[in-house]
Amino acid sequence: AQKITQTQPGMFVQEKEAVTLDCTYDTSDQSYGLFWYKQPSSGEMIFLIYQGSYDEQNATEGRYSLNFQKARKSANLVISASQLGDSAMYFCAMRVYGGATNKLIFGTGTLLAVQP
Amino acid sequence: ETGVTQSPTHLIKTRGQQVTLRCSSQSGHNTVSWYQQALGQGPQFIFQYYREEENGRGNFPPRFSGLQFPNYSSELNVNALELDDSALYLCASSLDRGDTEAFFGQGTRLTVV
Repeated sequence: AQKITQTQPGMFVQEKEAVTLDCTYDTSDQSYGLFWYKQPSSGEMIFLIYQGSYDEQNATEGRYSLNFQKARKSANLVISASQLGDSAMYFCAMRVYGGATNKLIFGTGTLLAVQP
Repeated sequence: ETGVTQSPTHLIKTRGQQVTLRCSSQSGHNTVSWYQQALGQGPQFIFQYYREEENGRGNFPPRFSGLQFPNYSSELNVNALELDDSALYLCASSLDRGDTEAFFGQGTRLTVV
């Protein structure tokens, strides 16, 4: 079964510090993609970063980087230099390719609070 | 701004009623997916439409149905509303089925009383 697990319901971080949000995944497929989304209180899902299963380098997008460890099936999000505006829910998601439907499978999320 | 808009933003309905939620995708995006996000949970896949036909469905009963139109708009219809249908409903559009990125709308928050 395909599954995403986020074990941290909530995290606190001081402004300007780095924080790691954990994500593990389960799939027997070889071709898949891993995503991180940010969901502020307004509700929309904001795409942050993507890692393909065949990508050899860890993905980076500005202050966001994805620590991809394929053998351990983990895809942790690292946010460097946290800002107050980073306070939000963060969701890890997976998409398996090859089928007709490219649905996203989400974890339960981590609520990040950035403290001044 | 993702270019995906949903309406209405909030809605209150009575158990047993029917509801229609709307989504306007980015121009040229021929794939739209709908997700249900219950309070405190991650979004759950309801179904996907590709070029106006249902392309896949999650574990939701038939009273959840949808339509996709040629003008890149789509609808989610829910019949015989139940209290557990209270949730944030998100639509996501992408250029094609196999695309990496999906662009989400801001969601419709449905409350069933």
